[in-house]
Amino acid sequence: GAGVSQTPSNKVTEKGKYVELRCDPISGHTALYWYRQSLGQGPEFLIYFQGTGAADDSGLPNDRFFAVRPEGSVSTLKIQRTERGDSAVYLCASSFQGHTGELFFGEGSRLTVL
Amino acid sequence: GQQLNQSPQSMFIQEGEDVSMNCTSSSIFNTWLWYKQDPGEGPVLLIALYKAGELTSNGRLTAQFGITRKDSFLNISASIPSDVGIYFCAGLGGYNQGGKLIFGQGTELSVKP
Repeated sequence: GAGVSQTPSNKVTEKGKYVELRCDPISGHTALYWYRQSLGQGPEFLIYFQGTGAADDSGLPNDRFFAVRPEGSVSTLKIQRTERGDSAVYLCASSFQGHTGELFFGEGSRLTVL
Repeated sequence: GQQLNQSPQSMFIQEGEDVSMNCTSSSIFNTWLWYKQDPGEGPVLLIALYKAGELTSNGRLTAQFGITRKDSFLNISASIPSDVGIYFCAGLGGYNQGGKLIFGQGTELSVKP
């Protein structure tokens, strides 16, 4: 497809389990971003990749959260030992180049931790 | 940390009315953007502003980058039912901030036909 693709669209898991969320950006976009959105709030920055490297991971809340982009395209957000407070919609976005703020978002992966 | 304050939080208007919403910050931003989000979708970019004082239009939408670089507003003229959704302002600190957009809490717009 032409847009940012995220899978799964919905994930229900139990507290303490490990979760992976995948993002397939728009072809040719070098910058990729992960945001987290709680109900009634704006998106909250987690991490930003330029190519394969994490250019800014200052938004990752703690060391249970980790993201990779090994070939500079698809990215995976990994959450270890999930907690109920991790429940949110995780949004991925890409842009042709960084530092413009002009992001193309996917539809998000809704994570529910029971 | 940096925070953006959007107002109002919600608006209920009649079709055809004009709408105005704004965003303020305690920090300076070099870029201001406005996004719209429909239920179950990701935010979609409406307007981007790159220069203090800049006024930009996109169809029925007009946005301004405040001269102090700490605020922005968005106007929608002659609202229609498809304008319904949540509008977010977002600020970007500068070149070395990369993609670290800071988002406001959103303004939820409801339009009555």
